[in-house]
Amino acid sequence: AQSVTQLGSHVSVSEGALVLLRCNYSSSVPPYLFWYVQYPNQGLQLLLKYTSAATLVKGINGFEAEFKKSETSFHLTKPSAHMSDAAEYFCAVSGPGVSNSGYSTLTFGKGTMLLVSP
Amino acid sequence: DSGVTQTPKHLITATGQRVTLRCSPRSGDLSVYWYQQSLDQGLQFLIQYYNGEERAKGNILERFSAQQFPDLHSELNLSSLELGDSALYFCASSGGPPLPPNTQYFGPGTRLTVL
Repeated sequence: AQSVTQLGSHVSVSEGALVLLRCNYSSSVPPYLFWYVQYPNQGLQLLLKYTSAATLVKGINGFEAEFKKSETSFHLTKPSAHMSDAAEYFCAVSGPGVSNSGYSTLTFGKGTMLLVSP
Repeated sequence: DSGVTQTPKHLITATGQRVTLRCSPRSGDLSVYWYQQSLDQGLQFLIQYYNGEERAKGNILERFSAQQFPDLHSELNLSSLELGDSALYFCASSGGPPLPPNTQYFGPGTRLTVL
């Protein structure tokens, strides 16, 4: 069974500073990994995904993530934070469904709230 | 806008009641997924349908049921509601067979409040 751990329920940065949100995964099979963002009172929006092609994945809004198999990590970064980046970020892993049916379901981490101060 | 629609946006009801949440997937998507988001449990997968058939079950209570209709819209039925069922319920959809690494697109959610 697969799982993800997001380190830090809250991360605070200043506008213009580097954003680093941590995600470690546990998977018995090669993982497919995703980052989603949830703005207040909205649904989840896909930021980027890793599907075993390039290990450095670029997403929307200037975000990117690097898949590191040796560290079982898929951390999300952005060089310069903007006020509009304040939201909750979820890391997720896709793999065999919980019923081991072979079909794909997503297992989410608990989320990291990103706070951006001026 | 993901293209996934959910109705209603908000639902307030009393304990013991039954409600139905509706989801329309993106045009052409055959898979529908239901998730529950609560403060204590986080985002949890409930159930998955592909082209009308149930494909995977997660942490879905026996009081909850779902189905996907021939036009591919889906409904999540919640019965004998308890205070703890208050949560955001999301629907997601994806195209093609539900095999990894299918990308799921989420609707805006239905906020259920049980009083």
